[in-house]
Amino acid sequence: EVQLVQSGAEVKKPGESLRISCKGSGYTFTNFWVTWVRQLPGKGLEWMGRIDPSDSYTNYSPSFHGHVTLSIDKSINTAYLQWSSLQASDTAIYYCARDKRVGVVNSFDPWGQGTLVIVSS
Amino acid sequence: DIQMTQSPSSLSASVGDRVTITCRASQSISNYLNWYQQKPGKAPNLLIYTASSLQSGVPSRFSGGGSGTDFSLTISSLQPEDFATYYCQQSYTTPWTFGQGTKVEVK
Repeated sequence: EVQLVQSGAEVKKPGESLRISCKGSGYTFTNFWVTWVRQLPGKGLEWMGRIDPSDSYTNYSPSFHGHVTLSIDKSINTAYLQWSSLQASDTAIYYCARDKRVGVVNSFDPWGQGTLVIVSS
Repeated sequence: DIQMTQSPSSLSASVGDRVTITCRASQSISNYLNWYQQKPGKAPNLLIYTASSLQSGVPSRFSGGGSGTDFSLTISSLQPEDFATYYCQQSYTTPWTFGQGTKVEVK
């Protein structure tokens, strides 16, 4: 079964750093990009960026570029999303998903279960 | 960025109803359009890709159509498990963008 399993919920203070993870299994991890999506409380989905596990090439949304960092450890089939200095506005659920290309169209399937990040003083 | 606009933002329907959700792109995106379903407290799930292709395991009551700037998602006969929020998403060019979502509620 193809699946992505994310790390557990986090509660952090403003200014702290954080790295959350997303582990793929059931497929060849380096053959598919990993995309990250943010969902603010009670709101819609926002694409943050994606990373190619084969060479760690990244593609960020301008809205998130410079605020987060995507990385990969392909030896353990794991993608990471990290912040060096969290803000209260980063409170959200973060999803990873396999970014697969069928023909010329990319879609996200499957998704991880989500990681809740709460940033509060 | 390409803006995706869904309508309506919410709708009330009954089991057995035919439901159609529309999605409009701010520029032509050919058929680079996907649809997702999200239930409360759960991750989104891919329903339709390339505008009209049904993802494996998705019931045939779901269908998608359109090209260019105007797209639709239709549920032919709404079932209890279909009450959820639906999102369109373009993959024509990065940054990939989503519509704001359409919540399908019980009438």
